[in-house]
Parts: sequence; C-alpha cells; structure tokens
Amino acid sequence: AQSVTQLDSHVSVSEGTPVLLRCNYSSSYSPSLFWYVQHPNKGLQLLLKYTSAATLVKGINGFEAEFKKSETSFHLTKPSAHMSDAAEYFCVVSVLSNDYKLSFGAGTTVTVRA
Amino acid sequence: EAQVTQNPRYLITVTGKKLTVTCSQNMNHEYMSWYRQDPGLGLRQIYYSMNVEVTDKGDVPEGYKVSRKEKRNFPLILESPSPNQTSLYFCASSLTPGLAYTYEQYFGPGTRLTVT
Repeated sequence: AQSVTQLDSHVSVSEGTPVLLRCNYSSSYSPSLFWYVQHPNKGLQLLLKYTSAATLVKGINGFEAEFKKSETSFHLTKPSAHMSDAAEYFCVVSVLSNDYKLSFGAGTTVTVRA
Repeated sequence: EAQVTQNPRYLITVTGKKLTVTCSQNMNHEYMSWYRQDPGLGLRQIYYSMNVEVTDKGDVPEGYKVSRKEKRNFPLILESPSPNQTSLYFCASSLTPGLAYTYEQYFGPGTRLTVT
C-alpha cells in the first residue's frame, strides 16, 4: 500500500519570494509521483511528474520538484511566487501493482500576499 | 479540444432520489476514474475502469455504481443518495497505466453534489 503526507495544510508567501510545498510518501515499490494544482472552482491540472528518470523534475509555470528516495520526499518549489500561484496543490503517488490506484495527499493551500 | 466533461456541474437533491452524473472524454483514453474531494482529505478514488466493460472498486465505493458501456463515457450512479455523499466529484481519464510508468490523468471540472 502507498500513502502520501503533505506536511503543510496552508502556506502563505509574499509575491516574489520562494515557495516550498513539502510531500513525503511511503511505498513498497518504485513510485510514480505527481504534483497537481487546483485553482478555485476548477479541475486539477498536472504541474509535473516523476517516473524514474531524472530526479529533478521541471514543470509548468516555473515549478520544479526533486525526488529523494533516501528521504522518501518529493517537495515542490518555485523561486519566485506570483499572485496567480494562489491555489491548492496536491501531491500524488502511484504504484504499479494490480489496481492502478492513485493516492492523493490532503492538499496544501497556497496564499500569495501582495 | 481534448477534454473531460461532466454534467451537471451543480446538483442539489434529496435523500433517496436516484441520480446519475455523466462523464465523457474525447481523448480515446482507456482508463477512467471517479474521485470525491472532501476538505482535509484530498481526493479519494470511488471506482475506476481499465476499459469498456471493465470496472473495479477504489477506496470508497460504498453507495456508488458505475458502468462503462462505451469507451468515452463513464457515468457515476447514486441509487439512493445520503447526506454523507455530499461532496465535490471529479471524473478523470488517462491512457492505460503501463509497466514503465503511470500516465497523467486529465480531470473534468467537477460536480458539486448536495444531498439534503
């Protein structure tokens, strides 16, 4: 079985400062890992994914994440926050087994202050 | 435009009145899935389908039914809705997960259901 823990339920940053969203996972097998973003009243959009290639993954809108197997982490970062980054972010893990399930973290809400 | 559509987007109903939420995708994806989103719990999978006539339970299937008679459609059926099924529901689709990696899922806009 796999699980995902997002360590912060809310993150507040000032515009132009770095953003860090923390995610830890547990999995018995090599996982695929994703970050999705959900803007208010919208569906989920893929930011980036890790699928056992490069450990540093670059996504859309300047986001990137680093897979650290030894720490079982997949933290999401952005060097400079923009007002449009205000949204909810989900870390997701998938393990290829017989059931092809995705496990979602509880989400981190990002607020960006002007 | 590649997309997943859901209808209705908003629904208020009463306990016990059967309802169906439709989901359709135009990307020829084999895999489709339903999730519910509740505050503080993230998204939880209700049912998924690997292809036509192939469906399986997710983490929270109780009180729900699905069918997959056509590749593009994957309706979610609540035979006797109860207030604890008040939630935000998302349909998603993707290519079939393979041995090497899992494909990105494309999500619909969501259906907000209230059961009174």
